[in-house]
Formats: sequence, C-alpha cells, structure tokens
Amino acid sequence: NAGVTQTPKFRVLKTGQSMTLLCAQDMNHEYMYWYRQDPGMGLRLIHYSVGEGTTAKGEVPDGYNVSRLKKQNFLLGLESAAPSQTSVYFCASTASSSYNEQFFGPGTRLTVL
Amino acid sequence: GESVGLHLPTLSVQEGDNSIINCAYSNSASDYFIWYKQESGKGPQFIIDIRSNMDKRQGQRVTVLLNKTVKHLSLQIAATQPGDSAVYFCAERMGGGADGLTFGKGTHLIIQP
Repeated sequence: NAGVTQTPKFRVLKTGQSMTLLCAQDMNHEYMYWYRQDPGMGLRLIHYSVGEGTTAKGEVPDGYNVSRLKKQNFLLGLESAAPSQTSVYFCASTASSSYNEQFFGPGTRLTVL
Repeated sequence: GESVGLHLPTLSVQEGDNSIINCAYSNSASDYFIWYKQESGKGPQFIIDIRSNMDKRQGQRVTVLLNKTVKHLSLQIAATQPGDSAVYFCAERMGGGADGLTFGKGTHLIIQP
C-alpha cells in the first residue's frame, strides 16, 4: 500500500514551458486535491476533485489545469510556466467519511527560471 | 485574505516539556479545525481535529483546545520528544463537503536536548 505518490519529485522549467504533475493513490479515495506551498507559508488549494471525471477550482487556480480521468489519478498541468509558479506542490486524497484527514504525497519541488 | 493563522513562526522547547502551539482564526463559520504536522521534506500528516461545537479533544499525547469567544485554537503536546520536531499547521474546513482545507502559515517546533 503505497498511499499517495507524486511524479516527478523535482523539476526545473524555463518560463513558457509546459509540464504535467502526476498524483496517484491506491486507497480508493473519492476526493483528491492539489495544493501549493511557498516558503514560510501554509498550503493553498489549487484545484480539487470529488470523483472521477469531476474537477473544481480552489483558492489559487489561475495558470493551472487538472484532469481526473481515473479515480486513482489526479493530474496537474501548467500550460505556460511562470516564475511565480515556483513552489512545492502537494497532492492529497481523502475518503468521503473523513474530509478532515487528508493523506498527502511527498511533494514535487518545481522551479521556473 | 487568510482566515487561519498562527501566532509564532518558531517555538523552542526542552525535550520532556509540554509544548503549546497557538492559532488564531477569523472565520466563525468554520465547522472543523484541524492540526497537521509536517516533517522536513515530507507532506503534512493529520494529527487531530475538533468540531466547532466542542471545546476540547484529546488524542495520544496531544490535546486540542478551542476557544470560540476569542477565536483561538491551541495544540498541546505532552512530554515533547525529538520526533515532534516539525512544522505544525492549523487548518479549517467548512462543513458539508470535500472542498479542501484552509491552512495557516505554520509554527516550527524545535526540540532542545
């Protein structure tokens, strides 16, 4: 049982490049989330999904897109990366019975030059 | 603006002492308040939660206190151990759905030998 995994762990992009971050969970959780964490800050919600085929905007959705084609996977895309998107990105999932206890992945550290 | 925040960015305690980490919130409509622990290089990990209609909740070596009069939340850790060294975040959630958590900025708990 791997829990929540994220790919890649590190990535460096140039301004304007695109990339996709992959999140996978093997706990059969319905709900999945993408957060970003900037230095000295708490986590801020980018997008989330309440089930396969559904997505919704969080607090800071601009510049990102997401897809949930399979229940176990949640993809975060950056179409045209900007330096302001330099951050650590965390994926999380939770079961419908306990929204408060989210299970987080190890994070992806993204640098945009 | 941010509705959940912490009083101190850093807290240093002696090993074996009790630790008290504080959090102030502004959104009286939140239904749940949650504490997460984040160790260096890892994703946050759920510690304990409390519903807004409660004043106190205890877990293993941890106690959360909620004072709605002054909109204050605290996490007490008994007999602090080296493994407690981490950044602690308070978070809040509105009831009724899985639309993510709102995190505060975090307090770094440092354990002195």
